[in-house]
Amino acid sequence: AQSVAQPEDQVNVAEGNPLTVKCTYSVSGNPYLFWYVQYPNRGLQFLLKYITGDNLVKGSYGFEAEFNKSQTSFHLKKPSALVSDSALYFCAVRGNTGFQKLVFGTGTRLLVSP
Amino acid sequence: GAVVSQHPSWVICKSGTSVKIECRSLDFQATTMFWYRQFPKQSLMLMATSNEGSKATYEQGVEKDKFLINHASLTLSTLTVTSAHPEDSSFYICSAGVGRLNTEAFFGQGTRLTVV
Repeated sequence: AQSVAQPEDQVNVAEGNPLTVKCTYSVSGNPYLFWYVQYPNRGLQFLLKYITGDNLVKGSYGFEAEFNKSQTSFHLKKPSALVSDSALYFCAVRGNTGFQKLVFGTGTRLLVSP
Repeated sequence: GAVVSQHPSWVICKSGTSVKIECRSLDFQATTMFWYRQFPKQSLMLMATSNEGSKATYEQGVEKDKFLINHASLTLSTLTVTSAHPEDSSFYICSAGVGRLNTEAFFGQGTRLTVV
């Protein structure tokens, strides 16, 4: 069965500094990996995904993530954080064969201070 | 990206009554929709997978008679919480799968249900 681990409940970073939100996964076969962001009392907004191809994936709002197969990781990064990036971030994974459901991590709250 | 609209965004109901939540794909046809429940400060828990024209597939531990799911068309799925109780109070989110293999999912804005 697939699973996702987000080891940090919260990440604190100062505005303008780079940020990293960690995600590791476990899945049979090759993974489809996703990052979503959630603002209070809102649904999830899609940020980026890795399906195949280049390991470095660029997404919305300046975010990017690097797929590392050997470390089974898909960390979310941004070179320069904004206060408006403060939100809850979810990593998700599914297998790449047939029809499979998404499995979400527990979420990481990002707090960017001015 | 594809737009999924969920309605209502919040609802307060009395214990024992039923509440219906709608999830619509506005600019695409969604053969599959998913319903999630999210508790405060927790991740999304998949409740059921809804396929157009067929019965929903419920996850283990989810009461199918309490959480009725209907997916009558390619653009609409509904979740009805029957005989709601305070413990059903939660944030419910739907999503629609895109692509033949559901390679991407778009989410509704969620519904905050409070049962009093």
